[in-house]
Amino acid sequence: GAVVSQHPSWVICKSGTSVKIECRSLDFQATTMFWYRQFPKQSLMLMATSNEGSKATYEQGVEKDKFLINHASLTLSTLTVTSAHPEDSSFYICSASQTSRQRSSGRVYEQYFGPGTRLTVT
Amino acid sequence: LAKTTQPISMDSYEGQEVNITCSHNNIATNDYITWYQQFPSQGPRFIIQGYKTKVTNEVASLFIPADRKSSTLSLPRVSLSDTAVYYCLVGAALFGGYQKVTFGIGTKLQVIP
Repeated sequence: GAVVSQHPSWVICKSGTSVKIECRSLDFQATTMFWYRQFPKQSLMLMATSNEGSKATYEQGVEKDKFLINHASLTLSTLTVTSAHPEDSSFYICSASQTSRQRSSGRVYEQYFGPGTRLTVT
Repeated sequence: LAKTTQPISMDSYEGQEVNITCSHNNIATNDYITWYQQFPSQGPRFIIQGYKTKVTNEVASLFIPADRKSSTLSLPRVSLSDTAVYYCLVGAALFGGYQKVTFGIGTKLQVIP
């Protein structure tokens, strides 16, 4: 099946610094990727939709200048948390969908999720 | 985006069949129903997807009534390793297959020895 990876799997940074998280689709091309944030014991919250070659679309309440998203290729999207603060500590998860012509599972669509990145800001 | 409602938690003994029902009263004609499983500190994992009637794969079955306003995920003979949070998602393929979904609170399934 399709695999999505994230790097790093966990990161600790100091308040005020920036952190970049990578999301890669390893064996398929993904025109669109999604970024989620999950706080302890809560559900996933969609932050933004990352489109290859164009600007990301952010959900209401998500600061686009704080969470910079770059989708430079069909297999890579990055999320940069700028000037991180302790309240940004969370579990960040990305997902990607296969393009229509690559679907071989018979499913109409499927999002493949990465393993997540644990960010701790001290 | 259709809103979903699931029980917050369920307990089951090992070896039993578990049924988790999700309500999605405002499901649209183009919407599909997808269930995901999530273990702590991991990304969600696809379980099963369906549009109507019954779908079965190697790990679960999905029952969808004719009105499609609800769906039931059935896990046969659960084991301790099935302890996880299960999410029901409803949405349509957009722009050639790229779906924006909203996660509900999910159902925390606790399997008891």
